[in-house]
Amino acid sequence: DADVTQTPRNRITKTGKRIMLECSQTKGHDRMYWYRQDPGLGLQLIYYSFDVKDINKGEISDGYSVSRQAQAKFSLSLESAIPNQTALYFCATSDTDTQYFGPGTRLTVL
Amino acid sequence: QKEVEQNSGPLSVPEGAIASLNCTYSDRGSQSFFWYRQYSGKSPELIMFIYSNGDKEDGRFTAQLNKASQYVSLLIRDSQPSDSATYLCAVNSGGSNYKLTFGKGTLLTVNP
Repeated sequence: DADVTQTPRNRITKTGKRIMLECSQTKGHDRMYWYRQDPGLGLQLIYYSFDVKDINKGEISDGYSVSRQAQAKFSLSLESAIPNQTALYFCATSDTDTQYFGPGTRLTVL
Repeated sequence: QKEVEQNSGPLSVPEGAIASLNCTYSDRGSQSFFWYRQYSGKSPELIMFIYSNGDKEDGRFTAQLNKASQYVSLLIRDSQPSDSATYLCAVNSGGSNYKLTFGKGTLLTVNP
């Protein structure tokens, strides 16, 4: 089984809808991250969490929120999706400065 | 603003050749450096990390770090078509924060 899983893997939604992307890990890592990737723009950090009680904004947090339900679970929400949030979203975990990525969620907002 | 710069490519090499991928970074206090490989539509996969000046070899891959020049590179020897991917350079400038800043990636194509 994969160490870092993301659900759903693909999602198509409409403008204004609320969307939740979920990430689970079995690596036992304390640190978890959410990134988005757009063609030509590389990986941009949305939010990161160092433990259940510690959540921090990344460079592009506007329009997103997160919840760290447990050490193993970190969810990303789009409260009211807009088309420019169409992207590939990755969750990552780490116990040191080496990060390990989940398989990604391809989100399309129409 | 901490920046990590990579040539976007595409870099095209023939099968069996050496591919050289380069990365520069702006934060002189950066402490650790990573190379990830990403196939189209897939997630980044860690290839190597390097902390100290000099070379670090792992199979066909060699990472080179020069902190004075703020430069890190990845050499791929005996390139194979399966090495065709985007290579992401990442830098940890945050110490114990363990936040990575990623470059935009270099697309490598290995031609049979």
